[in-house]
Amino acid sequence: SQTIHQWPATLVQPVGSPLSLECTVEGTSNPNLYWYRQAAGRGLQLLFYSVGIGQISSEVPQNLSASRPQDRQFILSSKKLLLSDSGFYLCAWSVSGSGGELFFGEGSRLTVL
Amino acid sequence: QKEVEQDPGPLSVPEGAIVSLNCTYSNSAFQYFMWYRQYSRKGPELLMYTYSSGNKEDGRFTAQVDKSSKYISLFIRDSQPSDSATYLCAMWGGKLQFGAGTQVVVTP
Repeated sequence: SQTIHQWPATLVQPVGSPLSLECTVEGTSNPNLYWYRQAAGRGLQLLFYSVGIGQISSEVPQNLSASRPQDRQFILSSKKLLLSDSGFYLCAWSVSGSGGELFFGEGSRLTVL
Repeated sequence: QKEVEQDPGPLSVPEGAIVSLNCTYSNSAFQYFMWYRQYSRKGPELLMYTYSSGNKEDGRFTAQVDKSSKYISLFIRDSQPSDSATYLCAMWGGKLQFGAGTQVVVTP
């Protein structure tokens, strides 16, 4: 069966520090991968998605970047965090062409102070 | 106007009652309709997935789609405290669009 792992689960970072969130998927090949952000009381905002190694699409201009160094690994990064980067970050995967059926990780809660 | 509108709640119901949730949308290109359940501090999980207009039932859950009115609903029968969560509707028409989510509280 397929599983998705996301870490760290919680982190508190000072403004201006770097960020690295990692996500890996097991049990499937060539998945579509996604990073979402969920602010308190708000819906899911798509940040990045990837249909293959090295292929990254950005949905909103921001202080973040994403990379996909391996087929089932997706990394969210920032060189310098802003207060507005605080939120709940979710990694998700889907089968190519599945029409919206996403499988989410447990999430990473980031607080920038 | 947002493409997908969903009342954020909270919606509080007593145990055993029927929970009724809904979303409206404006984009006629949406073809697939989903409901996700999200427990506090967890990732969302897919609950129901429908394509055509009409009803789809899975245990205590019924998803309803009315494409002519651009309206989808989720009904939870015999609600339990364990149903307390945020329910997000989602729609796909080449791109996935989520509603803001409705917080549901089922009180014993």
